[in-house]
Order: sequence, then structure tokens, then C-alpha cells
Amino acid sequence: LAKTTQPISMDSYEGQEVNITCSHNNIATNDYITWYQQFPSQGPRFIIQGYKTKVTNEVASLFIPADRKSSTLSLPRVSLSDTAVYYCLVYSSASKIIFGSGTRLSIRP
Amino acid sequence: SQTIHQWPATLVQPVGSPLSLECTVEGTSNPNLYWYRQAAGRGLQLLFYSVGIGQISSEVPQNLSASRPQDRQFILSSKKLLLSDSGFYLCAWSRTREPPYEQYFGPGTRLTVT
Repeated sequence: LAKTTQPISMDSYEGQEVNITCSHNNIATNDYITWYQQFPSQGPRFIIQGYKTKVTNEVASLFIPADRKSSTLSLPRVSLSDTAVYYCLVYSSASKIIFGSGTRLSIRP
Repeated sequence: SQTIHQWPATLVQPVGSPLSLECTVEGTSNPNLYWYRQAAGRGLQLLFYSVGIGQISSEVPQNLSASRPQDRQFILSSKKLLLSDSGFYLCAWSRTREPPYEQYFGPGTRLTVT
């Protein structure tokens, strides 16, 4: 299984764009890149998933370069409520999904 | 719509006592099911996953076990709890046939072993 590496923590301010980069050098051909968000005392929540290039939904964008060895989650105009832990995962099936330590994002007024 | 339930929400148990946590899913059939544990301030540790009734894969050797007696029921058990078993236990389910294999998490059980 591909291992992911992401920053332990990040700080930003309300209204800013936040980019969290994840490294996954050993990603397999069939792996998808998926990001989850977790608030304290809650289970993680799916944010976005992509295979290549760019994916955008109502809450985030995911940028994936051609070699797919990294990816960047982009949160536009963050607010205080975006303070959470963000997990980057890579997997190709639903049989075994492993979370890393995540990135603790703190948003300040 | 699909719903996932976990109980109890909180639990305080003495060392050496047994444990049984239950998770049920409604509104879907043949889901993949997962048990995770999260220690305070840490990431999620995958404990068990199941792709069908009676099919359990263990990720971490320990004194915990899991069972899936019905398609949408997943049970986490222990015969004798250790202090290190304290944590936030999360059950999740996902569809199996095609991406994104998005996982849906239950509300969790916070276990304190004293």
C-alpha cells in the first residue's frame, strides 16, 4: 500500500486560500487519492477524490501532477470552521483503507 | 438514505473486564465494514475490516477481535481490556464495487479503561 507524507500542522487566517500537499511516491497505477476532514470527537468526513489532473467540488479542489507522486488539497477562502485535521489517503479498493497522522490545520481570525 | 449507528457513545471499563461494541448500518447491502481506533491527538489506526459476513481481516495483533454475524452488523470485542485499549473507536462502512469507495463513519465510542 502506498504510504503518504503530509505536514503535521499548518496555520492560516480567515479568508485565505490554504494548500496542503501530500507526498505519495509509491502510488500504484490503480490507486485513487482521497482526502478526509476530521473534527474533534467525530469520525472523518470525505472531502474529495481524484485520479489525475484537477478535481473540484463545492468545498475544495485537488491538484494532481502528471507523475501522481504528490497531490495538493486546496481550500478556498477558509473560515474558522475549517479548523480540523486533514488526511490524505491513496488506495485502489475498498478492502483496506489506512489513515496516516494527518495535517492539523488551524485557522485564526 | 444510509445510516450508521454505534453504541454505546461512552464507556468506562476496568482493566481486565470484557468489551463489546456494536455497529449497525441501515439503508445499504453488502457494505465493507471497518473498525478504527484513535488515541488522543493521534491518527486513525485500522483494526479490522470485513468484506462480507464472517470475513474478518485483522490489521493489528492485539487482544481485540471482531465479528460480523449479519450483513450490516459489526461487533468489536475483547475478553480482557488493557489500559492501552483506551481510545475513540470508530466504525465505518463503504460501498464496494467502484470508486470512490467513500467511507462513512459512525458517531464513535469513547472508551476509557481504568
